[in-house]
Amino acid sequence: ETGVTQSPTHLIKTRGQQVTLRCSSQSGHNTVSWYQQALGQGPQFIFQYYREEENGRGNFPPRFSGLQFPNYSSELNVNALELDDSALYLCASSLVTYNEQFFGPGTRLTVL
Amino acid sequence: QQQVKQSPQSLIVQKGGISIINCAYENTAFDYFPWYQQFPGKGPALLIAIRPDVSEKKEGRFTISFNKSAKQFSLHIMDSQPGDSATYFCAASPGQGGKLIFGQGTELSVKP
Repeated sequence: ETGVTQSPTHLIKTRGQQVTLRCSSQSGHNTVSWYQQALGQGPQFIFQYYREEENGRGNFPPRFSGLQFPNYSSELNVNALELDDSALYLCASSLVTYNEQFFGPGTRLTVL
Repeated sequence: QQQVKQSPQSLIVQKGGISIINCAYENTAFDYFPWYQQFPGKGPALLIAIRPDVSEKKEGRFTISFNKSAKQFSLHIMDSQPGDSATYFCAASPGQGGKLIFGQGTELSVKP
């Protein structure tokens, strides 16, 4: 059984640029959730995708957007990067009918 | 508005001792309460979880105690080991497959 994988591991961007982060869900899981974790803080829910549709969104602006593909993998896109977007971005996969969410290792994004 | 409050922020315990971390929540719609363990540079790993229909759940050295009327729950780590040194997060979720709302985290250090 393959766990949740994310790419890239680290990323450095400059303010105003756009970034795409990728996530492959755990085998058998059909739901993907994205979280932002600032240094020293708990993860904050960005949004969740199920059946290629957004299935809930946290308090994040529209410049944070996502996609889910037929194989349940997912992308997180962030436009017009701001310095405060610097964080660890975590992807978690689950089955929609269960609460257990399993996290990937995250992508460390630094915005200069 | 912080919906899940976690304490203490940091904790130092001697090897073999008991580590206790507490969380309090506000939203009575929450019905799933997991604990995650996170090592530096890694994603959170699901440790143990409980639902409000039980007051205690034990898995190995880890126990969750749940007090529905007080809207509080806690993690007890028995016989704490240096390898348990990590950051621990409590979380809560409303409904099946819903988003996780995390506490601020507790940095646990177990001294040999």
